[in-house]
Amino acid sequence: EDKVVQSPLSLVVHEGDTVTLNCSYEVTNFRSLLWYKQEKKAPTFLFMLTSSGIEKKSGRLSSILDKKELFSILNITATQTGDSAVYLCAVEAGPQGGKLIFGQGTELSVKP
Amino acid sequence: DAGVIQSPRHEVTEMGQEVTLRCKPISGHNSLFWYRQTMMRGLELLIYFNNNVPIDDSGMPEDRFSAKMPNASFSTLKIQPSEPRDSAVYFCASSPDRVMIGELFFGEGSRLTVL
Repeated sequence: EDKVVQSPLSLVVHEGDTVTLNCSYEVTNFRSLLWYKQEKKAPTFLFMLTSSGIEKKSGRLSSILDKKELFSILNITATQTGDSAVYLCAVEAGPQGGKLIFGQGTELSVKP
Repeated sequence: DAGVIQSPRHEVTEMGQEVTLRCKPISGHNSLFWYRQTMMRGLELLIYFNNNVPIDDSGMPEDRFSAKMPNASFSTLKIQPSEPRDSAVYFCASSPDRVMIGELFFGEGSRLTVL
């Protein structure tokens, strides 16, 4: 059965800290891995990764994929209270593609 | 573009009643997805369509759930009869790509409470 596992499930840090969120997966026909941020409502897209070892970066957020070890990390440097959210990892898999499987999410709380 | 539009935003109903959730994907997107989100199970894929055709409905919990996409701009998810354990936020999402999803664009969700 395809599965995506995130860790930790929750995390509390203070502003300015750096955090690393983890995502491991076991799926058939891996195609891509995506990270989303979910605040009060719908998830919003952060990154899509398809190749190992290539870091994607957007401001204080960065992510990298390891297709050999089947995991990805999401780093957030110099955290701010606005980074408080649930971070979701999703993997696109399946023989025809198009099937996006989500992990449980990591709930990040950034304290002032 | 207005984004993915879902209705209703909130629905409270009693056990045994029929519930219909609606979704209008982004114009031009080929793929449409229905997800359910709960605290216990996170975001679960229920069903997805490519070009209005259901591709994978293995996530649909049971026969009480059904989904249709009669045309490229409209989809419904129906629960009949509803049960308290169906209480969740139901998200519809669309994607421009058929084979490789890339980014999913989510609607605001429909929060369902079954009493």
